[in-house]
Amino acid sequence: DIQLTQSPSFLSASVGDRVTITCRASQGISGYLAWYQQKPGKAPKLLIYAASTLQSGVPSRFSGSGSGTEFTLTISGLQPEDFATYHCQQSGTFGQGTRLEIK
Amino acid sequence: EVQLLESGGGLVQPGGSLRLSCVASRFTFSSYAMSWVRQAPGKGLEWVSAISGSGASTFYADSVRGRFTVSRDNSKNTLFLQMNSLRADDTAVYYCAEGTLTTVNGFEYWGQGTLVTVSS
Repeated sequence: DIQLTQSPSFLSASVGDRVTITCRASQGISGYLAWYQQKPGKAPKLLIYAASTLQSGVPSRFSGSGSGTEFTLTISGLQPEDFATYHCQQSGTFGQGTRLEIK
Repeated sequence: EVQLLESGGGLVQPGGSLRLSCVASRFTFSSYAMSWVRQAPGKGLEWVSAISGSGASTFYADSVRGRFTVSRDNSKNTLFLQMNSLRADDTAVYYCAEGTLTTVNGFEYWGQGTLVTVSS
């Protein structure tokens, strides 16, 4: 079974910062990797699919890249509403999540 | 706007059963495969089960295979998850979501979740 490992598990940053979250697969996977944002008590929200395609309505400060076994989610210019937990997903496997908090 | 609304969660004793429902509105339910995804308290997301749009194909995570059964009633736009032989580690918020294992564009639509607590 494929495993997805996100790093870091916890990230502290300030408004305006640029942050990158990495999702590593235990074996090479297709480019069908998705990223979600989740706020406390809420359902996940799809941000990016197919590794780099921005979901409709998602701000352009979010971007995704990668292939093979390493994928990244980048947020350029953090906004207060971006502080949340981020999850990567490939098929039936999710990463363990990255919690992004305000410094 | 597509809406998914789960219900049926609650407190159940170990070994007990529970049936979750997810009612969909404002989209052609029968055209879409659906999944159940759960999240234990303070933990990450775990895909649980999926079913094709027709209901002919079903898929399960190893952790629930043989105990959980996914089904759907397309005439009522409703997805179900029958959970038997529940264990403490099944305690989680259960979400229904539009998509399946082969969905290439991510799970766009999610319900708000329903909490299942397995405890004596």
